[in-house]
Amino acid sequence: DIVMTQTPLSSPVPLGQPASISCRSSQSLVHSDGNTYLSWLQQRPGQPPRLLIYKISNRFSGVPDRFSGSGAGTDFTLKISRVEAEDVGVYYCLQATQFPYTFGQGTKLEIK
Amino acid sequence: EVQLLESGGALVQPGGSLRLSCAASGFTFSNSAMTWVRQAPGKGLEWVSIIYSGGSNTFYADSVKGRFTISRDNSKNTLYLQMNSLRAEDTAVYYCAKGGQTDSWGQGTLVTVSS
Repeated sequence: DIVMTQTPLSSPVPLGQPASISCRSSQSLVHSDGNTYLSWLQQRPGQPPRLLIYKISNRFSGVPDRFSGSGAGTDFTLKISRVEAEDVGVYYCLQATQFPYTFGQGTKLEIK
Repeated sequence: EVQLLESGGALVQPGGSLRLSCAASGFTFSNSAMTWVRQAPGKGLEWVSIIYSGGSNTFYADSVKGRFTISRDNSKNTLYLQMNSLRAEDTAVYYCAKGGQTDSWGQGTLVTVSS
């Protein structure tokens, strides 16, 4: 199985400052069809998860443009350009390239 | 608007069975793969299973393979998860999600396995 490792596990960030979360996979996430199925999800307290980014860098419908994704192969990053109060929660990466699909362990974003 | 509504969660004894349902609306269900994901209390997300649009292609996490069965009824726009031989470690909120990349999620249904 592909292991997804996120760092940091916790990230206190002042309001208005940038935040960055890393996700590393144990194998390349490039699919045989040429796509890389790496997604980022946000889970606010008490809420179900919500898709933010798919295929490394594509923002899902309704996601603010302060969220961006980048990376390739085995190393990926989610960046928030200016953290807002509503961004508090846990962020997960998900690989959907190889079965079984796997999530990272989650990164808790808090306001400092 | 995509809507996913899970149901069927309950308290069940170890070794017991349960069937979860996920009623879908707001999109062409028969064209979409569907996924089950679970979250144990206070823990992270765990991918459980996926079923493709026709219903014949299914995949499972190792932790549930041989015990859980995913299925769908495209005429009823409903996804199912049959869970047998339940264990304490299956205790979790179970979410259904649209697609392999999980672009929409339901609110979840709680399954508690305990004697």
